[in-house]
Amino acid sequence: DTAVSQTPKYLVTQMGNDKSIKCEQNLGHDTMYWYKQDSKKFLKIMFSYNNKELIINETVPNRFSPKSPDKAHLNLHINSLELGDSAVYFCASSQGRGLAGYEQYFGPGTRLTVT
Amino acid sequence: DAKTTQPTSMDCAEGRAANLPCNHSTISGNEYVYWYRQIHSQGPQYIIHGLKNNETNEMASLIITEDRKSSTLILPHATLRDTAVYYCIAVLFGNEKLTFGTGTRLTIIP
Repeated sequence: DTAVSQTPKYLVTQMGNDKSIKCEQNLGHDTMYWYKQDSKKFLKIMFSYNNKELIINETVPNRFSPKSPDKAHLNLHINSLELGDSAVYFCASSQGRGLAGYEQYFGPGTRLTVT
Repeated sequence: DAKTTQPTSMDCAEGRAANLPCNHSTISGNEYVYWYRQIHSQGPQYIIHGLKNNETNEMASLIITEDRKSSTLILPHATLRDTAVYYCIAVLFGNEKLTFGTGTRLTIIP
């Protein structure tokens, strides 16, 4: 069973389009995250949700909008895609917030290419 | 969260112990040391974490110095599948945010 899954695995699209990436976790975790890994391999957090509530929102353009329909899902919608959005996007989840053993479990990533 | 410093790259012979150092000289008393790794093209994978005491699990051991200013991740019998980038991260208790640095690229040599 896949713990954290993402769809699609690859996404190629043109500038100006709107696209969504979906994430689901079957671990029963309360907290979910989106990370972006750019071409230089730097991995940075974008958002975090706990029980459908936004708790972390880094300085991400408002073209990026996370949506959490329930605590097992955290989707990422991106409007008006730009070349600089090309990256690998990772979803992750953890047991809760503020707990010592809150190791995060990551999905396989979605490679987004904007042309 | 405290800044961590790691060597850019290391090699280790297959079957030997891989010792990955991490410096976190400004770590505070309630910051944990977490280790993750990222195998090529995959999502990061949790390895181990600790606060003061040494820790061991099925993947690795974590040795934290008494003054907590540095730590070492030990993979006891490295295999080719351990080739990855290893990240040492200082995390404040109660902070969900992981801040990844550049990590150490460990290459296991056959």
